[in-house]
Order: sequence, then C-alpha cells, then structure tokens
Amino acid sequence: GAVVSQHPSWVICKSGTSVKIECRSLDFQATTMFWYRQFPKQSLMLMATSNEGSKATYEQGVEKDKFLINHASLTLSTLTVTSAHPEDSSFYICSASALDRNTGELFFGEGSRLTVL
Amino acid sequence: RKEVEQDPGPFNVPEGATVAFNCTYSNSASQSFFWYRQDCRKEPKLLMSVYSSGNEDGRFTAQLNRASQYISLLIRDSKLSDSATYLCAVNNGRADMRFGAGTRLTVKP
Repeated sequence: GAVVSQHPSWVICKSGTSVKIECRSLDFQATTMFWYRQFPKQSLMLMATSNEGSKATYEQGVEKDKFLINHASLTLSTLTVTSAHPEDSSFYICSASALDRNTGELFFGEGSRLTVL
Repeated sequence: RKEVEQDPGPFNVPEGATVAFNCTYSNSASQSFFWYRQDCRKEPKLLMSVYSSGNEDGRFTAQLNRASQYISLLIRDSKLSDSATYLCAVNNGRADMRFGAGTRLTVKP
C-alpha cells in the first residue's frame, strides 16, 4: 500500500512554544492531505484539509491562526501548532489520498503525540 | 447529529465468539465506505472496504445498506489479536473521510 510518513512521532514542549509536524507521502503524489486530532478514547476529528498550493480548509471550531498548515508540494504538508498550551496535547495524524488511485481510501501517517507541559 | 454514528461499545467477548458492529451515516451522497482498525496509540489501518454486494475477507464480513444508510462488520471466531478499536469511515467523494467514534473490542481467553 501507499506509504505516508509523519515526523516527529512524539514531542514534548513547553507551553507557549510552537511545534511543527511534517507529513510526507513517500511513494505517491497527494494533492490533498488531511489533518486529524484524536484525544484519548475519542475518535479522529478532522481539523483541516490541506490542498497543495492553496490555503487549507479548516473545520468549524479549529483556529486557523493557531494550527498553521502548509502544503508546498505534492508530497509534503506541515502542521504547526503555534503557542502550544496543555489543552493542545493530543495525537495528531495526517492522511492522504493517492492521485492515481480512485478507491477513496486514505493512507495514514504514524501519528505524532504532542505533550505540552 | 453526528455524521457517522457507531456502536459505542466496549465489546468484551471470549475467544471464538462472533461479534458484530454497526455504523450509520447521515450523508446519503456518501460514496465509499471502510472499516479501519486502530490499535492503542497507533494510526488507523485499513481493515476492509465495504461494498453494496457485501464482501468477506477470511473471518471478517462487511455489509453496506444504502437504503438504510448503515454499514456493518462481522467478526467470526474472534482471536485475541482482534482486540482493537474498530472505526467505520465514510468518504463523501471529496476524499473527505469522516470517522465514527470507534468501537473498542476486547477478546478474552
């Protein structure tokens, strides 16, 4: 299957700092990538849809100035959590759909566990 | 109303049991459907796609009922290794996947 790599897999930071998470599609091109957040024992919640070369589309209730998304190429999207606070601690997962496959399936990165102290 | 609603669980079953999960979706225009498996602290992994004709993969059977807008997953002869959270997922045709809350399954010896 298609491979999506996410980095870092875990990060601990102090409150007020910014954290960048990278999501790469390794063996396919992805015009669209998705960023999800998952709190313990809860489901994946879509935060935003990242489109290559254009602004991301954010879900209702997600602050675009706090969660900066950049999708500069067909294989890379980044999520930056700005001025992180303890309530931002969560599991962040990116996913992508492959251009050349019409299955509707999403391929997920390994996830990034953020802990804000 | 949530876009995708799923049996809350948890399901605790003995090895060898048959267990079924159901999931309903609200968008009648949804185009493709999936079951994902998520292990603790890991990313979801595709278990199987779901087709109107129903599909089977070993001990797993998935069904889609478009008229009633629900999908199901049946696991026969449960194994300890089946313990995980099962997420139903609905794709609305824009590669926009919406997930159910997940159902936690624990298979006990």
